[in-house]
This record gives sequence, C-alpha cells and structure tokens, in this order.
Amino acid sequence: KAGVTQTPRYLIKTRGQQVTLSCSPISGHRSVSWYQQTPGQGLQFLFEYFSETQRNKGNFPGRFSGRQFSNSRSEMNVSTLELGDSALYLCASSWTGYSYEQYFGPGTRLTVT
Amino acid sequence: SQQGEEDPQALSIQEGENATMNCSYKTSINNLQWYRQNSGRGLVHLILIRSNEREKHSGRLRVTLDTSKKSSSLLITASRAADTASYFCATADNYGQNFVFGPGTRLSVLP
Repeated sequence: KAGVTQTPRYLIKTRGQQVTLSCSPISGHRSVSWYQQTPGQGLQFLFEYFSETQRNKGNFPGRFSGRQFSNSRSEMNVSTLELGDSALYLCASSWTGYSYEQYFGPGTRLTVT
Repeated sequence: SQQGEEDPQALSIQEGENATMNCSYKTSINNLQWYRQNSGRGLVHLILIRSNEREKHSGRLRVTLDTSKKSSSLLITASRAADTASYFCATADNYGQNFVFGPGTRLSVLP
C-alpha cells in the first residue's frame, strides 16, 4: 500500500506571496492532519480534516487554511507569507482521526525569503 | 495546555545499551503515543498506549504509562545505530482531541 505523499518536497517563496501544499493520504484513510515543525516551536498541529470537513483546528492565524477533497486528498494554503512561516510542513493520515495512529508523509520544506 | 514534555532533551549512548526517555503531561488523556523522526523527515508511529493500560511492548520497545504521575517512559533495548533519531510523545485528551506533541528527545547511538 502506498504511503502518504506530499508535494512539492521543497519550496522557496518570497514574503507576501502565497503557497499551496498538497497531501495524498493512504488509500482508505479519511482523516488528514497538517503540522508545522520549526526548531523553535517544535511540532504544532494546524488542522484536521475528516470526510471533507474540518474537524479540529490548532492555534494558527487565518492565513493558514486547508481543504479536503472527496478522494481524501488535502491541500493547505498559506497566504501573505512571513519569514516565520519557514518550516517543515507535515501531513499525516489516519483511519479514525488525528488522536490515534497516524501515518506521516515526508514533509514539504518551505523557505520564505 | 496538556503538552507532553520529554526528558532528557538529548541522550547519547553506545550501541547495545538501553535508552530510556520520559514524557510528562499535564491533564487527563485518552491515549499517549510515541513517534520517531529521522533527521528532518516524516514521523513514524511506534506505539499507542491507552489510558487504561500500564505497559505495552513492540519488539525492542517497551512503553509504560503512569496516569497517577501523568508520565510515560519509552525504553529501547539493545540499541542500534539505526535507532539514532528524535523521539516524540504525543497526547490526546479524554475526548480524543487537543492532540499535542512534546518537544522531543534526540537520541544518538554511537557505533
């Protein structure tokens, strides 16, 4: 069974731009969660989608948004990029939800200059 | 916040030795999970232990949970160089929500 895939793997953007990251979960998984990982703040939960509905949301500004499609694929968008948005963005999928066993993708490394 | 806190922050041992990492959290939980992350890559799920369980094993891994002390430990026996990674605990509250990762323990296993 194919694992979680994320595209692109690396991205360089300029302050003020917006970016869209994509995640394809393991086949059959309906829960997709997104995390931001930085050296200073560690792993922080962004949001969880389950069957196309946002089920849980972390404490991030509205510039961070996401969506999930009917095939469970998910995208997250960050608008008006700031230098502090430079991070590794991880996507994870699960059968039941983000508070149970999750399978992580390799991440997208975003650098904002 | 019920963020888990791992201890120690970094641990360096020789191959063949055992490694123990601890995790403390603040409020009641539904379950506690341990994940491993190799340098800058995705996380790998190791073990999930529910609040009504006290100990769980998986291969060379042993996890204990003490809900009265709000703490858990991860023991890796007979460590190998390939075990070099960061280890994170993560907790969800009684409703299975507020899923939070701790800051992690960096384990280095020297050959």
